[in-house]
Amino acid sequence: DQQVKQNSPSLSVQEGRISILNCDYTNSMFDYFLWYKKYPAEGPTFLISISSIKDKNEDGRFTVFLNKSAKHLSLHIVPSQPGDSAVYFCAANSNTGNQFYFGTGTSLTVIP
Amino acid sequence: ETGVTQTPRHLVMGMTNKKSLKCEQHLGHNAMYWYKQSAKKPLELMFVYSLEERVENNSVPSRFSPECPNSSHLFLHLHTLQPEDSALYLCASSQDHFRVYHYGYTFGSGTRLTVV
Repeated sequence: DQQVKQNSPSLSVQEGRISILNCDYTNSMFDYFLWYKKYPAEGPTFLISISSIKDKNEDGRFTVFLNKSAKHLSLHIVPSQPGDSAVYFCAANSNTGNQFYFGTGTSLTVIP
Repeated sequence: ETGVTQTPRHLVMGMTNKKSLKCEQHLGHNAMYWYKQSAKKPLELMFVYSLEERVENNSVPSRFSPECPNSSHLFLHLHTLQPEDSALYLCASSQDHFRVYHYGYTFGSGTRLTVV
């Protein structure tokens, strides 16, 4: 059974608006979370992370929010740009775990 | 070169063929991984090597055989594959497998494998 779920396979957003990508997890022991971005024909590249001691982490246009009680995290991109069009994966692990568990990804299209 | 390099980028092989995927990392990392990405499925961890020793084997069929001759190189030897093995195979590295929760992964661009 999948421990990390991204229930929206795709999302379209107008350039300049906010993109919100969601991720849910089932294992309450997870306390480290990563977001990766993947362009076609390239490997995933690290985007931003958050640990459970925080509920928010910001890096430029990218902000990740963590709601531990809801086992939910989200990635906000503001403002969205056409170059942000890619597949976004969330991943989760615990500090006693030996691997990250990935979601199935959300394909973001930013429309110029 | 920097980062994680995978070759070939694309591979088409018959079910009776034997082929190998190659991965090289130039980051000085201690751990290397093989992941499989099938359509509409999460990334699946196949093998983990830490300091050139295999530490994880996630119930992968024996037709996939990994090899890690040194901390910079990782191979995936393929033989008698099935069409359902067609997927994107990603290599990754991490600074320290036992603290992967802290360091995360650096991925290569992957090998797109088609079994015919």
